[in-house]
Amino acid sequence: DAGVIQSPRHEVTEMGQEVTLRCKPISGHDYLFWYRQTMMRGLELLIYFNNNVPIDDSGMPEDRFSAKMPNASFSTLKIQPSEPRDSAVYFCASSLWGSNTEAFFGQGTRLTVV
Amino acid sequence: GNSVTQMEGPVTLSEEAFLTINCTYTATGYPSLFWYVQYPGEGLQLLLKATKADDKGSNKGFEATYRKETTSFHLEKGSVQVSDSAVYFCALTGGQAGTALIFGKGTTLSVSS
Repeated sequence: DAGVIQSPRHEVTEMGQEVTLRCKPISGHDYLFWYRQTMMRGLELLIYFNNNVPIDDSGMPEDRFSAKMPNASFSTLKIQPSEPRDSAVYFCASSLWGSNTEAFFGQGTRLTVV
Repeated sequence: GNSVTQMEGPVTLSEEAFLTINCTYTATGYPSLFWYVQYPGEGLQLLLKATKADDKGSNKGFEATYRKETTSFHLEKGSVQVSDSAVYFCALTGGQAGTALIFGKGTTLSVSS
């Protein structure tokens, strides 16, 4: 398997624009996680899914953020409208069932909102 | 709620020095504990894990022991290399946190030759 695949790797957008980040988890994994990494706040869990169903979205910072998982092999994180404070690296990760199993991370999307 | 606290960096060492990065946690129930490593420009990779008290995780010369009595999971390596330069994250999952990993803020390690 190629691992968790995220696209794009880098995104530069203007304030107010819609941004969509994409993730393809490892085949067979039934958990998918979205994290945001910043210098100030470290790694924050935004939302996670189990079998395509959102389980906990309490980390989503505002209504401007939304995430979907229409099928087991694809998820999106959308920001609309984007703001400069959304600039960060966004990671997607996937894992098999079980709280002691390893989560596999994608290489991240570096988002810059100007 | 569940949380992880790890020592602030950066940690700067010479090659072959001994490394300790402290990590303590707060959790209800019986979490699993992890150390992840992030190399520049990459995502996080699992370094080692321990799933119950007194377990020792080890990998690539790194070790950490799950200490329930002190709620700690300190990372150690006897002799660091330049290639160990990276950001190290302590994390937990399970217990009240459920399946999602909760991370500490990360500790940057810089090793010079």
